[in-house]
Amino acid sequence: QKEVEQNSGPLSVPEGAIASLNCTYSDRVSQSFFWYRQYSGKSPELIMSIYSNGDKEDGRFTAQLNKASQYVSLLIRDSQPSDSATYLCAVNTDKLIFGTGTRLQVFP
Amino acid sequence: DADVTQTPRNRITKTGKRIMLECSQTKGHDRMYWYRQDPGLGLRLIYYSFDVKDINKGEISDGYSVSRQAQAKFSLSLESAIPNQTALYFCATRGTGASETQYFGPGTRLLVL
Repeated sequence: QKEVEQNSGPLSVPEGAIASLNCTYSDRVSQSFFWYRQYSGKSPELIMSIYSNGDKEDGRFTAQLNKASQYVSLLIRDSQPSDSATYLCAVNTDKLIFGTGTRLQVFP
Repeated sequence: DADVTQTPRNRITKTGKRIMLECSQTKGHDRMYWYRQDPGLGLRLIYYSFDVKDINKGEISDGYSVSRQAQAKFSLSLESAIPNQTALYFCATRGTGASETQYFGPGTRLLVL
């Protein structure tokens, strides 16, 4: 079992819709969780971090964490074509472990 | 100026050649990392260093070596490059707290012929 799992996609949503990206992890002692966005050929950039169970909102982004289910998700409201990218989930143990990423496509 | 820089940004080399990828950071972080990225495989950790005297293997260290010359510098070497080391390589830095953000360099695109 991979330490951090994501559906590779692509996830296609229309402009203005909510995009829902999911991630599961295997290490129960993980304490911090991150979502990175990566455009093709570019380096990953942090968009959200979450440490406690529940929801954390930042603008159009909401991260959700459920430690009992070992599940973290990212919701993008009012999706825009510029949100089209690969979204990487990362989980911290003594180092960051990344999932393989979910490719999101937002079509006009 | 960028906080994490990588040189070169692109490199083409031949099988069997030794090459070095360099990374420098101005964030004052102790922790530095080298990843490679291949299509469909995500970011895989090659080596990481928690301070100048600490070097650790990641999940795919075979065929690679590293040197932490200073807090700000972390180099990755391919002793004898092979075609399946063709990939996009990223350096990253991070502070020591569990909640610290990890910052990535712009990447080095390596092609081994």
